[in-house]
This record gives sequence, structure tokens and C-alpha cells, in this order.
Amino acid sequence: QQQVKQSPQSLIVQKGGISIINCAYENTAFDYFPWYQQFPGKGPALLIAIRPDVSEKKEGRFTISFNKSAKQFSLHIMDSQPGDSATYFCAAETSGSRLTFGEGTQLTVNP
Amino acid sequence: KAGVTQTPRYLIKTRGQQVTLSCSPISGHRSVSWYQQTPGQGLQFLFEYFSETQRNKGNFPGRFSGRQFSNSRSEMNVSTLELGDSALYLCASSRGGGQNEAFFGQGTRLTVV
Repeated sequence: QQQVKQSPQSLIVQKGGISIINCAYENTAFDYFPWYQQFPGKGPALLIAIRPDVSEKKEGRFTISFNKSAKQFSLHIMDSQPGDSATYFCAAETSGSRLTFGEGTQLTVNP
Repeated sequence: KAGVTQTPRYLIKTRGQQVTLSCSPISGHRSVSWYQQTPGQGLQFLFEYFSETQRNKGNFPGRFSGRQFSNSRSEMNVSTLELGDSALYLCASSRGGGQNEAFFGQGTRLTVV
């Protein structure tokens, strides 16, 4: 019930392409869905987040799409750049500050 | 403004020992959460403290404990270390109250030998 399923595990995209990472959840009590980016040797950095009353949120090249009925949300990275190569985690939060993370997606953007 | 600071960055300990990790949250943030990150299990929630009280606890054994001080700084303690405790331990701070941005430190890399 508390799990967040993330796919794909790894993703290779050409520079300028679109990277898409998907997540699904079961617990309808989740009410906050952030995405984090993590580079080797660093802690996760918050990229963008969405609440379930919104179906889409865009910040620069990053867009979250949220489908409440399907209990799914996804991250789209437009015009992907080699500097975007990192591990991406989706997460979901219930009350308080407890985040449940997906398994992570290792993104490689080839020049 | 200063980010989340975790000390030390690296630790090597022997099985059976205990260890204390420290986290200084962003100024004004009252919630501190701890996570364990391993290649096999990913990011797993340990516990969360808000205003010196433990508000949430994950599914870890009692060997893992924590506390928060009046200045919101937090410590995490692991007693009787096991090889499987080797991991990156991350601290996140937020204003608390839910639906608030959580900011992570760089973590403490613990190696148990």
C-alpha cells in the first residue's frame, strides 16, 4: 500500500530528445508528489512537485503530468541535455514529512 | 541561505560499534527526516522529528534511534553496527506540516567492516 513503483530502471536518450519517467502508487492518502534528481556523491535535489488537485505542472524543461484516477504520475524532460544525466526519483508523501520513494531511474543523455 | 549540513561525510566503523550522525537543517525549518540509501533497497525512511518530537517512524530495528534538539539540529544513532548498515544516510529538512519542500543534505557515507 505504501509503495511507489517507478519505471524504467534506466533510460538512454539522445541530446535534444524527451526523457519520460513514470511512477504509480496505490495509497490514495498520498497528497504530495515531488521529483528528485541525484548526482553521484550528492544528496537528492528537489526538481519539481505537484499536488493531486492539479493535472500538470511545468517548470522550464521539466513537466509533471498527474493522473489521479489512474494513480500515476510522470516526469517529462524536454530538450534533454548531457548535464541532465543523473538518477531521478519520484516520491509521494502522506501526512507529515514522510516521503516514500520510487526505485529510481538512471538517465543517460548522449551528446 | 545555507543548506542542510551533515557531518561527518564519511565514516568507517567496525561491526558491533555504535555511531552518531549529525544534521543541521536549514534555518527556520523545524522538521528533520532521516533516510537510508542503499543500492538494493533504494531510499528508505527512518524517522522524522518535528519540534523535538518523533512524529513518524519507518520499519527499522530499535538499533536505529534519533533525537532533535531545541535548535532543530538532529542526531541519528545506530548501535551494534552490522555489515548491512553500510549505506548513505541522508537527512532532509522542511518547514513541516506536510506538502512542504524537503531539502536533502549530501549525506554521511557509513561503511561497516
